Amino acid sequence: GQNIDQPTEMTATEGAIVQINCTYQTSGFNGLFWYQQHAGEAPTFLSYNVLDGLEEKGRFSSFLSRSKGYSYLLLKELQMKDSASYLCAVRSFPVPGGSGAGSYQLTFGKGTKLSVIP
Amino acid sequence: EAQVTQNPRYLITVTGKKLTVTCSQNMNHEYMSWYRQDPGLGLRQIYYSMNVEVTDKGDVPEGYKVSRKEKRNFPLILESPSPNQTSLYFCASSLRGNSNQPQHFGDGTRLSIL
Repeated sequence: GQNIDQPTEMTATEGAIVQINCTYQTSGFNGLFWYQQHAGEAPTFLSYNVLDGLEEKGRFSSFLSRSKGYSYLLLKELQMKDSASYLCAVRSFPVPGGSGAGSYQLTFGKGTKLSVIP
Repeated sequence: EAQVTQNPRYLITVTGKKLTVTCSQNMNHEYMSWYRQDPGLGLRQIYYSMNVEVTDKGDVPEGYKVSRKEKRNFPLILESPSPNQTSLYFCASSLRGNSNQPQHFGDGTRLSIL
C-alpha cells in the first residue's frame, strides 16, 4: 500500500512565503502531483515532479527527493486567494493484481488547509 | 471547451435504490478515474480505467461498479447504495495514465443516501 503524510492545517501571512511538506512511502514510484482545491470546488493542477529537484512555475515551486520520499510545495508572495487546501498525490505502478503492465494508481494525501491572513 | 462533465451534481436518495453517476470527457483522454472525498479522509480512488474495456480497483472499490465501453464515458454505479456511501464524488481524466499530464476533474457530485 501507500502512505502519504501532509500537515492538516497551516496559517501564513499575506505577502509571505509558505512551504507545505509531503512525505510518502510507496513501491513503484512514478511521479508526484500537487493540486489546489478551494472549498466546494474541484481540485486543479499545480505541479508535477518525477525526477529529483525543483520545478518552478511563477509564484509556485515544487521540490522532490525520491530517496527521501519527500516533496514540498513552496508558495511565494502569498495572496488571500491562495487560501485553499493543497493536495499531494503520488502515482505508482504496476498495481499488484491490476489489469497488467501499464496499470497506474494515483493516491492522494489528506490535504493541507492553508489559511492566508492579512 | 475541454471539460469533464458529471451528472447529477446533487442527489438525495434512499438505501438500496440503484443509481448511476455519469461522467463524460471531450478531450479524447485514455485515463479516467473516480474518487470520493470525505472530511478528514481526503480524496480516495474508487476505480480507474487505463483505456476502453480496461478497469482496475482503486483503494475503496467496495459497493461500486464501473464500466468503460466508450472512451469518453465512465459511469459509476451503486447497485445497492448505503448511508456510508454518502460523500462528494469526483470524476477525473488525463491523456494517459503514465504521462506527466495532469488529471482534469469534474465539478463533483454530492450524494446523500438516507
